[in-house]
Amino acid sequence: EDQVTQSPEALRLQEGESSSLNCSYTVSGLRGLFWYRQDPGKGPEFLFTLYSAGEEKEKERLKATLTKKESFLHITAPKPEDSATYLCAVYGGSQGNLIFGKGTKLSVKP
Amino acid sequence: NAGVTQTPKFRVLKTGQSMTLLCAQDMNHEYMYWYRQDPGMGLRLIHYSVGEGTTAKGEVPDGYNVSRLKKQNFLLGLESAAPSQTSVYFCASSYNRKGDTEAFFGQGTRLTVV
Repeated sequence: EDQVTQSPEALRLQEGESSSLNCSYTVSGLRGLFWYRQDPGKGPEFLFTLYSAGEEKEKERLKATLTKKESFLHITAPKPEDSATYLCAVYGGSQGNLIFGKGTKLSVKP
Repeated sequence: NAGVTQTPKFRVLKTGQSMTLLCAQDMNHEYMYWYRQDPGMGLRLIHYSVGEGTTAKGEVPDGYNVSRLKKQNFLLGLESAAPSQTSVYFCASSYNRKGDTEAFFGQGTRLTVV
């Protein structure tokens, strides 16, 4: 069964305290892995796309990496404005649609 | 740039009532999707469309119908609303499904069925 699992469900950090979010997946025919950010009351906003194991992408304090079974979203020296829910999704599976994990809710305290 | 626009943003329905949610995109995308988001469940695909005049079932299609009469619009209908359909609904669109392009999302419609 195609599945995307994110951990932890929630993460509380102090401002400046670096950490990582995990996304593990089991899907046939992976076409791409996506990271989205979702603020309360808003739709998901695209962050990164990763296609193959070993690939890395960076944007400000965020860095996404991909292995054959999982992806990590590393947050370096986070700020309160990084507080949001981060969603991982993969294209693939029998229908070739976007399959989402349940997300990690990140809170960064000043 | 409007992107993906959903109407309405909020709606309260009584059990058994019907309604239609409208999604409009101005990016000339072929693919459009309807998701629902529930606490602890993540985003689940209801129906999708791979082009004008086409629709297909997603993971949780029961109780919903869709239509894509124009390329830029994707409508989600509830014929007889049930409390289990209380949720936040998101529309999305993408250029293709080859994995090299992201999906763009609307701001969501918060629906409460009482």
